Amino acid sequence: EPEVTQTPSHQVTQMGQEVILRCVPISNHLYFYWYRQILGQKVEFLVSFYNNEISEKSEIFDDQFSVERPDGSNFTLKIRSTKLEDSAMYFCASSLQGDFRSYTFGSGTRLTVV
Amino acid sequence: GDSVTQMEGPVTLSEEAFLTINCTYTATGYPSLFWYVQYPGEGLQLLLKATKADDKGSNKGFEATYRKETTSFHLEKGSVQVSDSAVYFCALSDKRGDKIIFGKGTRLHILP
Repeated sequence: EPEVTQTPSHQVTQMGQEVILRCVPISNHLYFYWYRQILGQKVEFLVSFYNNEISEKSEIFDDQFSVERPDGSNFTLKIRSTKLEDSAMYFCASSLQGDFRSYTFGSGTRLTVV
Repeated sequence: GDSVTQMEGPVTLSEEAFLTINCTYTATGYPSLFWYVQYPGEGLQLLLKATKADDKGSNKGFEATYRKETTSFHLEKGSVQVSDSAVYFCALSDKRGDKIIFGKGTRLHILP
């Protein structure tokens, strides 16, 4: 069954450093998403991306965050200057038509900022 | 805005016990409702869904019924197994259908 792949599974970074989280969506999907889950809290929507541009973003997704689809297969989330409160599990997802029917999540990247 | 509230965990049960995890939602319009499961070290997997009032979603022995009058979508299973140990998330899709809004998750431990 097709999968959304995220790398690395766990990343530790120093406060103030830039970090890039990587995702390989399902190959024929057109819509891409990032979510995050701070430990013990709910999974929160960050951003959706379609046709090489952001289609929606949440209040969390401020100027420190950016997303990119640098080639035909990867979808990345960059945090420019990490803060302690960015420590969380980050989930990538993709869908074919932008609705729930084909929505598929990756296994997540646990980011720890020290 | 739209939101989901689910019962706090962890929930610990013995094998073959009956499971209920409560979930209620607040939404404008008629959202689709979901239960996702996350097994240790894995991603979020769709367990079941219901797209309109009175629909019952079911999978792997789990069931949930979309109750519009009580804005609820409680997850049930008649006889749980150790392999059901995981975190369960209740969720809804917003009116546009592309963003998923999650509850906090309920960790379930099943003892042999």
